[in-house]
Amino acid sequence: DAKTTQPPSMDCAEGRAANLPCNHSTISGNEYVYWYRQIHSQGPQYIIHGLKNNETNEMASLIITEDRKSSTLILPHATLRDTAVYYCIVRSHRDYGGSQGNLIFGKGTKLSVKP
Amino acid sequence: ETGVTQSPTHLIKTRGQQVTLRCSSQSGHNTVSWYQQALGQGPQFIFQYYREEENGRGNFPPRFSGLQFPNYSSELNVNALELDDSALYLCASSLARPGVSKNIQYFGAGTRLSVL
Repeated sequence: DAKTTQPPSMDCAEGRAANLPCNHSTISGNEYVYWYRQIHSQGPQYIIHGLKNNETNEMASLIITEDRKSSTLILPHATLRDTAVYYCIVRSHRDYGGSQGNLIFGKGTKLSVKP
Repeated sequence: ETGVTQSPTHLIKTRGQQVTLRCSSQSGHNTVSWYQQALGQGPQFIFQYYREEENGRGNFPPRFSGLQFPNYSSELNVNALELDDSALYLCASSLARPGVSKNIQYFGAGTRLSVL
């Protein structure tokens, strides 16, 4: 089962910041927070990940609370092309002896960016 | 564009038939994971291949099987198709290195399988 809780849907006006919350109250010390998104009928796209510090890349920013029990993905200037389902996933980075573990997806948040 | 390609893009089969789906991983990647995504649901992990061996499996029956080839491409085989196997099948590739725990999976666009 997914270890995260996300709202099923959110709306955002084009050009405004989209703030997508995620609760992961049972996260353990070696687990990272990953965000993927899936635009309709395409494969999931990696966005960003982090452990405890805030992270930023060309796509988004990730804010993780100090207790690590929740996080927020921020799309600073949402466009219509950001309309997608956004998945928050917690994942261990422990060494599997060369192989790596799988991703456990929940139902995500359907973000609708409106003109 | 992730560099992960899947074929075919769409497929229609009838119940009881067998199907093979193919995945070419991103250049330099050595690990392939397969996921099944039913309509309205998040992707569910089927299994992962690393160094040509299955390494981890989700809650799927043995009629779901796979292969990984020396060039790291992969196949997903499903025998005795059932109506509930209708779904989007996703392949993800990644680079796994012993002692390096960071691992990002990059997904292909998927194969849409319809079982009638």
